[in-house]
Amino acid sequence: NAGVTQTPKFQVLKTGQSMTLQCAQDMNHEYMSWYRQDPGMGLRLIHYSVGAGITDQGEVPNGYNVSRSTTEDFPLRLLSAAPSQTSVYFCASSYLTGGGGYTFGSGTRLTVV
Amino acid sequence: SQQGEEDPQALSIQEGENATMNCSYKTSINNLQWYRQNSGRGLVHLILIRSNEREKHSGRLRVTLDTSKKSSSLLITASRAADTASYFCATFVFTNAGKSTFGDGTTLTVKP
Repeated sequence: NAGVTQTPKFQVLKTGQSMTLQCAQDMNHEYMSWYRQDPGMGLRLIHYSVGAGITDQGEVPNGYNVSRSTTEDFPLRLLSAAPSQTSVYFCASSYLTGGGGYTFGSGTRLTVV
Repeated sequence: SQQGEEDPQALSIQEGENATMNCSYKTSINNLQWYRQNSGRGLVHLILIRSNEREKHSGRLRVTLDTSKKSSSLLITASRAADTASYFCATFVFTNAGKSTFGDGTTLTVKP
C-alpha cells in the first residue's frame, strides 16, 4: 500500500517555465489537497478537491491550476513559475474532507531561479 | 490568518524529560489534529481529538482540548531522541470542509 506518492522529489525551474507536480493515492480517498510550506512555516492550502471533477481554491491559489479527472490523481500545474513559488509542496488525502486526518506525501522541493 | 498557532516556537529538552506544546485557535472547531514532521519529510498524523472530548491518549502522547479557552496541548512523555521533529496542530470545521489550517509548528529537539 503506497499511500500518497508525489513526483518528482526535487525540481529546478527557470522563471517563466511551466511544470506539473504529480500526486497519486491508492487509498480511495475522496478528498485531496495541495499545500506549500515555506522555510520555518506551516502549511498553506493551495487547492483542494472533494471528489473527481470537483476542485476549489484554498488560501494561496494564484499561479497554480489543478484538475481531478480520477479519484486517484490530483496534479498541480504551475503556469509560469516565479521565484516566489520556491517552496516545498505537499499533497495530502483523506476520507471525510480531512475530518479524519490527512495522509501526506513526502513532498516536492521546488526551486525557481 | 492562521487558525491554529503553536507555542512555543522551539523547545529543547533532555532525553527522558516530558515535552509540552500548545495550540491556540480562534473559532469553534469540530476536531483538532496533531501532526509530526521530521526534517525534510511529509507530515504524519499523530492523534485527533473531537470537540466533545477533553483528553486523549496514544502511547506516550497525551492531548487535551479546552474549547472554552480555544486551546489544546500535546504532551510527549519520556521523550526520546527520535521524537526530535516539528509538531503541528490543524483545526477542522465541518462547515469549512476542505480548508483545515495548520499553525507554524513547534520545533522539538531532544538531546541524548
